[in-house]
Amino acid sequence: DTEVTQTPKHLVMGMTNKKSLKCEQHMGHRAMYWYKQKAKKPPELMFVYSYEKLSINESVPSRFSPECPNSSLLNLHLHALQPEDSALYLCASSLDSQNTEAFFGQGTRLTVV
Amino acid sequence: GDSVTQMEGPVTLSEEAFLTINCTYTATGYPSLFWYVQYPGEGLQLLLKATKADDKGSNKGFEATYRKETTSFHLEKGSVQVSDSAVYFCALIGVDTSYGKLTFGQGTILTVHP
Repeated sequence: DTEVTQTPKHLVMGMTNKKSLKCEQHMGHRAMYWYKQKAKKPPELMFVYSYEKLSINESVPSRFSPECPNSSLLNLHLHALQPEDSALYLCASSLDSQNTEAFFGQGTRLTVV
Repeated sequence: GDSVTQMEGPVTLSEEAFLTINCTYTATGYPSLFWYVQYPGEGLQLLLKATKADDKGSNKGFEATYRKETTSFHLEKGSVQVSDSAVYFCALIGVDTSYGKLTFGQGTILTVHP
């Protein structure tokens, strides 16, 4: 199994809603990542978890709240988002966090209305 | 800081044409280098990688060689297909980078016509 699975694939939410994005991998990877990608741009790193601990927060607004319940799961909780937060949210994982390639999921296409 | 520069696109080719997408980088030491591909409506897929100078990464007919002297990692394919139409990202993980942070180039859109 070399997959990173993200759910849902598409999400439309209002600015007052609370929703969660989910990510799962069963490759035994100990580093997991959230990226945000706007159209025609490269992904931008948001958060890094290493061995289930938050290691990097790239100054992301608090309306995005990550959670790593165990080594296989990564969530991104969303609350009071703005229309400009509409984007493709990508989860990735790697064996560890030192110079090893990352494997990406298919992404969640988020639209904030 | 680390940076990656890719040739500007979009690149439009006919099927069976030769492909080159240029990528150069700025980083200290010997970073790990990657090419990722993103098909329409999908996430990123790792296409190939190289972790030391003169390494050649290859996959699905694509190749790239880690050139330390020119700080380059150009992507090549001898004969492209319509199915290769996608966005290609060159990326690196620097030796001083904490926690596997990828530095991406801006991406190159490739369109292949029959």
